Amino acid sequence: DIQMTQSPSTLSAFVGDRVTITCRASQSISSWLAWYQQKPGKAPKLLIYKASSLESGVPSRFSGSGSGTEFTLTISSLQPDDFATYYCQQYNSYFWTFGQGTKVEIK
Amino acid sequence: EVQLVESGGGLIQPGGSLRLSCAASGFSVSNNYMSWVRQAPGKGLEWVSIIYSGGSTYYADSVKGRFTISRDNSKNTLYLQMNSLRGEDTAVYYCARAKSYEHAFDVWGQGTMVTVSS
Repeated sequence: DIQMTQSPSTLSAFVGDRVTITCRASQSISSWLAWYQQKPGKAPKLLIYKASSLESGVPSRFSGSGSGTEFTLTISSLQPDDFATYYCQQYNSYFWTFGQGTKVEIK
Repeated sequence: EVQLVESGGGLIQPGGSLRLSCAASGFSVSNNYMSWVRQAPGKGLEWVSIIYSGGSTYYADSVKGRFTISRDNSKNTLYLQMNSLRGEDTAVYYCARAKSYEHAFDVWGQGTMVTVSS
């Protein structure tokens, strides 16, 4: 099974900061990588799919990059609404796996 | 409006069975890949199962042989039959639509809580 490792687990940042979250896969997953934002008590929200494609309606300050085994989610200028937990998710051979999550907190 | 609404959660004893439902509106479950994802209290997301538009089904190893995903096209509803439930199955269960061919989940329900405890 493919394992997904996110780093860091927790991130403290100021409004306006550039923030980067990394997700590593235990083997190559091509570009089958998605990113989600989840707020407490709410369902996840899709931000990025196929590693770098921005989901409709998602602000352009969110971007994704990478392929193979290493991927990043970048928030170019952190806004108050962005404080949440972020998950990566991979697909490979009829199996989906999520990373353990990165909590973005206010500094 | 595209929407998913789950129901059927509750408190169940270990070894018991429960069936979750997910009613879709604004799109057809039969024409989409539909999945269940769960989240244990205070934990991360775990993919559980998926049914493809063609009817093929796939399961996480943790639920294989115990859970069954299905759909009723006439009711536009997705189901998850859960048997032989264990304490580690306690979680919020979300149904989700997979974005066609992109293997990412673009529409989610609000979730239904399943608690397995004696």
